[in-house]
Amino acid sequence: EIVLTQSPGTLSLSPGERATLSCSPSQTVNNKYLAWYQQKPGQAPRLLIYDVSRRATGIPDRFSGGGSGTDFTLTISSVEPEDFGVYFCQYYGVSVTFGPGTKVEMK
Amino acid sequence: EGQLVESGGALVQPGGSLRLSCRGSGFTFLSFDFHWVRQVAGKDLEWVSAIGTTGDTYYSDAVKGRFTVSRENAKDSMYLQMSNLRPGDTGVYYCAKGEYYGSGSHYYLWGQGTLVTVSS
Repeated sequence: EIVLTQSPGTLSLSPGERATLSCSPSQTVNNKYLAWYQQKPGQAPRLLIYDVSRRATGIPDRFSGGGSGTDFTLTISSVEPEDFGVYFCQYYGVSVTFGPGTKVEMK
Repeated sequence: EGQLVESGGALVQPGGSLRLSCRGSGFTFLSFDFHWVRQVAGKDLEWVSAIGTTGDTYYSDAVKGRFTVSRENAKDSMYLQMSNLRPGDTGVYYCAKGEYYGSGSHYYLWGQGTLVTVSS
């Protein structure tokens, strides 16, 4: 079973700054099945990126995903106030597993 | 786009049973796989189960043998029958629409979640 590690645990940023979130699978991922979600308190997760780098419908282009193997990233080019929340990565190969999340908070 | 609405969450004693329901609308229910994902301790997301369009079922090791997933396309609904519940099963249970077929998928559409609490 693939275990996902996310770093950092918490990212403190001011609006306008660049955010780089990391997701590291415990084994090399040789396919495209990695997604990123944003979650705010009391809400279900919201899909941002799927298949490593494909932006979900309605997601602003300041969000981008990339990476391969054991190193994947979600980048927010310029953080907006509505971007603060918890971000989870997900691997969905034969099975589904989620990372523990990175909290993006306002500095 | 559509909507998913869960129901059935409750407080139940260890060893008890509970059935969750998930009803879809705004899309062709029978054409999609559906998954249950739970969120424990208010943070960790954990995949629980999935059911395919032909009724094929998948379970995590944590719930295999205790939970049963089913669907009723005529009612645009999916169910999760949970038995022999443990305190570790406590959490918010979400249903989600699978975008890929099979046990692995990402999810565009989620329900609002239903809270299951297992405690004496």
